Amino acid sequence: QQQVRQSPQSLTVWEGETAILNCSYEDSTFDYFPWYHQFPGESPALLIAIRPVSNKKEDGRFTIFFNKREKKFSLHIADSQPGDSATYFCASSSSFSKLVFGQGTSLSVVP
Amino acid sequence: EAAVTQSPRSKVAVTGGKVTLSCHQTNNHDYMYWYRQDTGHGLRLIHYSYVADSTEKGDIPDGYKASRPSQENFSLILELASLSQTAVYFCASSGTNSGNTLYFGEGSRLIVV
Repeated sequence: QQQVRQSPQSLTVWEGETAILNCSYEDSTFDYFPWYHQFPGESPALLIAIRPVSNKKEDGRFTIFFNKREKKFSLHIADSQPGDSATYFCASSSSFSKLVFGQGTSLSVVP
Repeated sequence: EAAVTQSPRSKVAVTGGKVTLSCHQTNNHDYMYWYRQDTGHGLRLIHYSYVADSTEKGDIPDGYKASRPSQENFSLILELASLSQTAVYFCASSGTNSGNTLYFGEGSRLIVV
């Protein structure tokens, strides 16, 4: 099975700090890299996604940084808020494969 | 808004019994998926389907069967439920009108005793 590895498993930041969540993949054919978030008791939902035509994708306080050479991408959450506390999943896919999810990062933002 | 509904939302099953989890989508999506969520393992793909009357194995298909009788409906079947199948199961759909975005159902919590 193609691997998508996510770190850290859990992360605690203070309100206002930038949270950084990391992901790496193995399959060089992967060309779609989304992040999903899941609030307690709810289902996962798409947060933001990038295709490697660029190395960066921003949406408000959320930014994906992509490094094709190292096969890594990260999610930066600027000015973290308590309402951002959730589990975040990175994922990867190609035209030839279904989405493969990472193991998840549990983020806690402390007021 | 995209809608994927699952039933039952929660179930307790006896080891060796048969369990059927149902999923219905009104998104007009071609693709439907069944994922299993366990702590520390993220979301793992069990079965998926891209057209009615056809299903494909995902990454962890052992012990599970799937059925797609129509575009809107996709079922996951555990013929002989085992303790190791205790988990939360999510159905999802995607289609050309949604790009690669998966729309998930509310989840079905299965406890096998």
